[in-house]
Amino acid sequence: QKEVEQNSGPLSVPEGAIASLNCTYSDRGSQSFFWYRQYSGKSPELIMSIYSNGDKEDGRFTAQLNKASQYVSLLIRDSQPSDSATYLCAVNGGRDSSYKLIFGSGTRLLVRP
Amino acid sequence: DAEITQSPRHKITETGRQVTLACHQTWNHNNMFWYRQDLGHGLRLIHYSYGVQDTNKGEVSDGYSVSRSNTEDLPLTLESAASSQTSVYFCASSESLDNEQFFGPGTRLTVL
Repeated sequence: QKEVEQNSGPLSVPEGAIASLNCTYSDRGSQSFFWYRQYSGKSPELIMSIYSNGDKEDGRFTAQLNKASQYVSLLIRDSQPSDSATYLCAVNGGRDSSYKLIFGSGTRLLVRP
Repeated sequence: DAEITQSPRHKITETGRQVTLACHQTWNHNNMFWYRQDLGHGLRLIHYSYGVQDTNKGEVSDGYSVSRSNTEDLPLTLESAASSQTSVYFCASSESLDNEQFFGPGTRLTVL
């Protein structure tokens, strides 16, 4: 059973701080990795995608991938109350998994004003 | 603008009835997916399609079916609705097999 694990939280940070969200996955053959943000009652919205080891930055968001450790993280700098949401980690297992996305159960982030 | 839409947005039905949820995308994506989301289970894949006439079962496909007669649409049918199928249903599409998926707004289904 291929799995994606996330701490359910809530992760509570003060406004302006860095929020660090973590995700581990079990399938070593995984090739592509995604972070989605989901507000309550809304659909998942793509935040970041990352395909190779290292860091990828987009505005206040940085995704980090370490395939050797099977670990993906999302850093949110200068956190705002509007960042309060559930963040879903998703992993594409590649051809061996018929290219299906496996989602973690999500980490709830609360940014305190 | 290209988009993905779902209808209806809310649906209440009775046990045993057949229900069809619509999903329509205008991105011309070959790949389309149906998920359900329940508290404590996250997003679970029901069915998926990688092109016209192609359909595949996901991890929770029992009681559901799909058909793909064109690129734009992937309707999800509950053959005989059960209370266990009360959930929020999301449709998604992607341009290529290992790229990101984009989600529709969701359908909240209640089976009484």
